[in-house]
Amino acid sequence: GESVGLHLPTLSVQEGDNSIINCAYSNSASDYFIWYKQESGKGPQFIIDIRSNMDKRQGQRVTVLLNKTVKHLSLQIAATQPGDSAVYFCAETDLSTQGGSEKLVFGKGTKLTVNP
Amino acid sequence: NAGVTQTPKFRVLKTGQSMTLLCAQDMNHEYMYWYRQDPGMGLRLIHYSVGEGTTAKGEVPDGYNVSRLKKQNFLLGLESAAPSQTSVYFCASSQQGRRKAFFGQGTRLTVV
Repeated sequence: GESVGLHLPTLSVQEGDNSIINCAYSNSASDYFIWYKQESGKGPQFIIDIRSNMDKRQGQRVTVLLNKTVKHLSLQIAATQPGDSAVYFCAETDLSTQGGSEKLVFGKGTKLTVNP
Repeated sequence: NAGVTQTPKFRVLKTGQSMTLLCAQDMNHEYMYWYRQDPGMGLRLIHYSVGEGTTAKGEVPDGYNVSRLKKQNFLLGLESAAPSQTSVYFCASSQQGRRKAFFGQGTRLTVV
């Protein structure tokens, strides 16, 4: 089955609020995680990544938190804007795997809707 | 500033027909990938390439073939299309494997 999933398939927030999108993973060997944003009719767009030797990483208006103990990561978007409306995917992989598949395991996505 | 470009953007095929999807990247990336995206299934890796002249199978390779004759191009072929191959196909590239992949706009393929 899918080893990376999301707690909520949809999330609706008001413009200006902070958004939190969650992701659970089951492979304890995963050591690299990525968040992607996919707008309607477009390809996924890289947002931010994090290695397992970090608990937190910040970007522009986004923060990714990683809790290896419970195998959970989250994407926080500050001051959410209408342009943030999209589907957000988390993906995981084990970078220590040598010579194997280049497979990234993607979650099914959370649809974020920002209400004006 | 093109990034990853896929052609065509839309295509309708009849069962049994063949076609080739073209992916071109102008970032000099070593790695290239083909994914398919289906509702409720997320993105699944079909084939990938770690450099010019190399290809390898991904998660769902059956019914597809690929070629990487030039570093900037990665072709995905369907020899005999089936309705189960109706999907949105995405090409991606990255400089380092499995990291920070840049995706194209997608090709919506319908097999009837």
